[in-house]
Amino acid sequence: DIVMTQSQKFMSTSVGDRVSVTCKASQNVGTNVAWYQQKPGQSPKALIYSASYRYSGVPDRFTGSGSGTDFTLTISNVQSEDLAEYFCQQYNSYPLTFGAGTKLELK
Amino acid sequence: QVQLVETGGGLVRPGNSLKLSCVTSGFTFSNYRMHWLRQPPGKRLEWIAVITVKSDNYGANYAESVKGRFTISRDDSKSSVYLQMNRLREEDTATYYCSRGGVRGAWFAYWGQGTLVTVSA
Repeated sequence: DIVMTQSQKFMSTSVGDRVSVTCKASQNVGTNVAWYQQKPGQSPKALIYSASYRYSGVPDRFTGSGSGTDFTLTISNVQSEDLAEYFCQQYNSYPLTFGAGTKLELK
Repeated sequence: QVQLVETGGGLVRPGNSLKLSCVTSGFTFSNYRMHWLRQPPGKRLEWIAVITVKSDNYGANYAESVKGRFTISRDDSKSSVYLQMNRLREEDTATYYCSRGGVRGAWFAYWGQGTLVTVSA
């Protein structure tokens, strides 16, 4: 199985900052990576697919990058509503696998 | 708009069975692969099953953790997908989500609200 590693369980930020969440795949997944945002008690929401394509309606302060094994979700000008948990997912091969998540918190 | 509504969760004893349902609307259900995923409390999301479309003979694929115990099925006439869960274990305790596969790959644009399954004696 492909393991998706998000090495940072928590990240501290301030409103207006720029923050980067990283995800590393255990093998080459091309650009078959998606990113999701999840708030407590809610279902995940898609942000990015194909590593760098913003899903419909997602603010342009969310940017995805990377290919192969290393991927990054960057949030520019962090807003208070962005304080949530972020997961990466590979869909290059089954079983589909997710990262453990990175929680974005206020400093 | 696309909607997915899961039902059927609850408290169940280890070894028993439960069937989850997911009713969908807002898209041509028969054209899409459908998935079940789950999220144990405080843990990462886990993909558990996919069912393909009629032209692919409704083939199914499962995560090793549920293979042989869980069965995914669909009824295109009802725009619904199901998850039959047998021989449940405490580690199956999770919120279960159904989701629609994407046009360009198995990423998940649409999620239901989830249904909680608790397996406990």
